[in-house]
Amino acid sequence: QVQLQESGPGLVKPSEALSLTCTVSGGSVSSGTYYWSWIRQPPGKGLEWIGYIYYSGSTNYNPSLKSRVTISVDTSKNQFSLKLDSVTAADTAVYYCARDRIAAASMDVWGKGTTVTVSS
Amino acid sequence: DIQMTQSPSSLSASVGDRVTITCRASQSISSYLNWYQQKAGKAPKLLIYAASSLQSGVPSRFSGSGSGTDFTLTISSLQPEDFATYYCQQSYSTFRAFGQGTKVEIK
Repeated sequence: QVQLQESGPGLVKPSEALSLTCTVSGGSVSSGTYYWSWIRQPPGKGLEWIGYIYYSGSTNYNPSLKSRVTISVDTSKNQFSLKLDSVTAADTAVYYCARDRIAAASMDVWGKGTTVTVSS
Repeated sequence: DIQMTQSPSSLSASVGDRVTITCRASQSISSYLNWYQQKAGKAPKLLIYAASSLQSGVPSRFSGSGSGTDFTLTISSLQPEDFATYYCQQSYSTFRAFGQGTKVEIK
C-alpha cells in the first residue's frame, strides 16, 4: 500500500525559501503511470493546487505560483520536493503531497500534510 | 485558466437526507471532474473520478454525474460520517484547479 509523508521545516522567515520533501513508500516515483503533486491549504480556506512532476522531471505549475515554485524528483531516494521562493505570510498553509493517476486524472493517495508557518 | 465554482458554499442537512452539490466549470472539461471529501484536520479523500466513477472503497451512497460544464455530487442518504467539506477539481487542463468547497453541516 503506497504511503506519502511530507517533511520539512514548520517555520520559515519571510523572504526566505520554503523547502519540503515527500517520501514515497510502498511504491515508486519512477512509475510512469503517475504524476507527483503538491497541494496547499491556508488556514480556514480551500485547496490550492501547486503543481506536479513526472518521474522524467517534466513539470506543470499553477500559473499564479509559477515564478516562485520548483518541484523536483529524486528517484534514487524515492522522493519528490517542493521549493517556494520569497515566501510571505500568505504562504502559511498546510502543504500536502499526493499521487496523481495519469490515466484516471485524479489524486488517489495523499500524505497527511505538514503545516508551514511564515513568520519572523 | 479554467475556473471551478461550487454551490452552495455550505448547507445544513439531517442524517438520512439526500444531498446534492453542484460544480460548474468556466469552459467545457468533458468528464474530467473529480470530487474529494475532507474532514477537519485530515487530508482530502478521493470519492469520485471522471465525473461518475466511484473510487474503490467509497460507499455507494455517493454518486457523481455531469459532463461539459455542469456536474453534481449526490449523497443518497446522508450518514453521520459524511459531515465534511467537499471539493470538486478539474483535470482537463494541466492546471488542476479546485472549486472553493462546500461544507456539509448537521442540521
